[in-house]
Amino acid sequence: NAGVMQNPRHLVRRRGQEARLRCSPMKGHSHVYWYRQLPEEGLKFMVYLQKENIIDESGMPKERFSAEFPKEGPSILRIQQVVRGDSAAYFCASSPGQGGTYGYTFGSGTRLTVV
Amino acid sequence: GENVEQHPSTLSVQEGDSAVIKCTYSDSASNYFPWYKQELGKRPQLIIDIRSNVGEKKDQRIAVTLNKTAKHFSLHITETQPEDSAVYFCAANLDSSYKLIFGSGTRLLVRP
Repeated sequence: NAGVMQNPRHLVRRRGQEARLRCSPMKGHSHVYWYRQLPEEGLKFMVYLQKENIIDESGMPKERFSAEFPKEGPSILRIQQVVRGDSAAYFCASSPGQGGTYGYTFGSGTRLTVV
Repeated sequence: GENVEQHPSTLSVQEGDSAVIKCTYSDSASNYFPWYKQELGKRPQLIIDIRSNVGEKKDQRIAVTLNKTAKHFSLHITETQPEDSAVYFCAANLDSSYKLIFGSGTRLLVRP
């Protein structure tokens, strides 16, 4: 089992560009969560998805950020028109059922740097 | 809103000593409390978790205790080793659901 796979590991974007972060959950996991971690801080919930459904996006900024988890392929977190404040580590996690019962397995993260 | 507070923010211990990290939470409906270890530049890894129907859980040198009345839970690491050095995060699930709220982390340094 390859675990939760995220790519790219590092991403550099200029202000105004788009960033696309990918996450493939563990085999058998159908629940995906995205968290953001600023330097020296904890993880902040962004969005919870199941296949083809956004269940909870309460932690995601209303503008410029979107997420999807299509029927086929990885979950995508998209950030449009990036700004310096978007620089952070973005972690994806997956679970076989709702995370509050089963716990999360995290991927290695994508470290986004906006220059 | 739900808040998880974690103390201390940094902790330095001598190898072989014990380390204790404490967290408090505000949502009385929380029923799942995991602890994660994150080494520099790496993913958070689950090291132990506890559910609200249990007061204590132990796994070798690591133990977690939960006081539901006081709404706090603690991580105990005994016989610390240099490889225990990392940032540790506690978390609680919001409203008995999937959403984990994380503490701000404790940077543990174990001195050889």
